[in-house]
Amino acid sequence: DIVMTQSPDSLGVSLGERATINCKSSQSVLYSSNNKNYLAWYQQKPGQPPKLLIYWASTRESGVPDRFSGSGSGTDFTLTISSLQAEDVAVYYCQQYYSSPFTFGPGTKVDIK
Amino acid sequence: EVQLLESGGGLVQPGESLRLSCAASGFTFSRYAMSWVRQAPGKGLEWVSVIDGSGGSTFYADSVRGRCTISRDNSKNTLYLQMNTLRAEDTAVYYCAKNSDNSRYSAVDYWGQGTLVTVSS
Repeated sequence: DIVMTQSPDSLGVSLGERATINCKSSQSVLYSSNNKNYLAWYQQKPGQPPKLLIYWASTRESGVPDRFSGSGSGTDFTLTISSLQAEDVAVYYCQQYYSSPFTFGPGTKVDIK
Repeated sequence: EVQLLESGGGLVQPGESLRLSCAASGFTFSRYAMSWVRQAPGKGLEWVSVIDGSGGSTFYADSVRGRCTISRDNSKNTLYLQMNTLRAEDTAVYYCAKNSDNSRYSAVDYWGQGTLVTVSS
């Protein structure tokens, strides 16, 4: 199974500042045939289901603000919130969909400093 | 508008069975893979299972393989999860989720509100 790890576990960021979340997979999730990284990022606010932010490691889902961006390839990935807003307080998860079981990372909690 | 409405959760005793259902609307159900993802109280997300659009191909998490069966009825736009021999560690909110295309190898782009399954004596 592919093990997903995230760092940090939690992150306090001032409003308007940058938040950076890292995700690492125990093996590559880059499929060489199509050069796509099978990696998604989700946001979950308290009491709500998760919401898709990023797929294919760097493609922003429709309607997601452009302050959210994803980068990385192979085994190392990053979710960046360029200017943190109050509504971005949430837990963020990465997930690989390269190989079953399609494992999630443990989550990173982002709040306001 | 995509809507996913789960039902069937509740309190059961260890060893018992439960069938979850998810009524889907707002998209052509048969054209998309569908997933179940669960979340134990206060914990992170755990992927459970996925089924392709035709219902012919499935994957399961190790933790549920052999005890759970995912299925779908495309004529009723409904996804199911049959759970047998339930254990205390199966206690969680179970989310029905729509994948972004027909392939099992795709991200989840819509989630239901979830249904709570509690396994306790």
